[in-house]
Amino acid sequence: GQQLNQSPQSMFIQEGEDVSMNCTSSSIFNTWLWYKQDPGEGPVLLIALYKAGELTSNGRLTAQFGITRKDSFLNISASIPSDVGIYFCAGRIIQGAQKLVFGQGTRLTINP
Amino acid sequence: ETGVTQTPRHLVMGMTNKKSLKCEQHLGHNAMYWYKQSAKKPLELMFVYNFKEQTENNSVPSRFSPECPNSSHLFLHLHTLQPEDSALYLCASSQGEGVAGGIWQFFGPGTRLTVL
Repeated sequence: GQQLNQSPQSMFIQEGEDVSMNCTSSSIFNTWLWYKQDPGEGPVLLIALYKAGELTSNGRLTAQFGITRKDSFLNISASIPSDVGIYFCAGRIIQGAQKLVFGQGTRLTINP
Repeated sequence: ETGVTQTPRHLVMGMTNKKSLKCEQHLGHNAMYWYKQSAKKPLELMFVYNFKEQTENNSVPSRFSPECPNSSHLFLHLHTLQPEDSALYLCASSQGEGVAGGIWQFFGPGTRLTVL
């Protein structure tokens, strides 16, 4: 089945640093989504991308839909303590069932 | 209540018990989903309901039985579970499969299930 490879699996950074994570797949996706999950909560949608090459920002977050349609990245600038959590990418495939496939998640830890 | 709510938030059950998880969405959506989230694994889609009809069963064992009486409510009935079924069970909703923007899934807080 379709799989998303998300990296890195975990990150330990200092407050104020920029963060970058990405997802890659051997399958083509027509939509990419990025979610954040806080402890004890469900994932919350951060950014949605619909077109190859699309670059979208949401505050300090920026995400891009790869030109090949097989990858996406998420950047967080000037990290703050509330950015701590698990970030998931999710993709919607072009062919087959119209459902989301999720990456394994990137756990972000910030040292103040 | 707003968004997607799930009850109970925590559940401990024995392998011979029967219990049910409840999900309610207050967003006017038409599609609802059950996911299983285990440690260090991607979210696993279990079931999809679109306008109360089941449109996806991702090879889920029969000890998990979903029920969707209307577009706002979704249940997951559990019986004779195994310890490996312990996980966070997440419910989500969206406007609907095939609807513009329907891909935006809004998640509930989940039910943390422990099977002894």
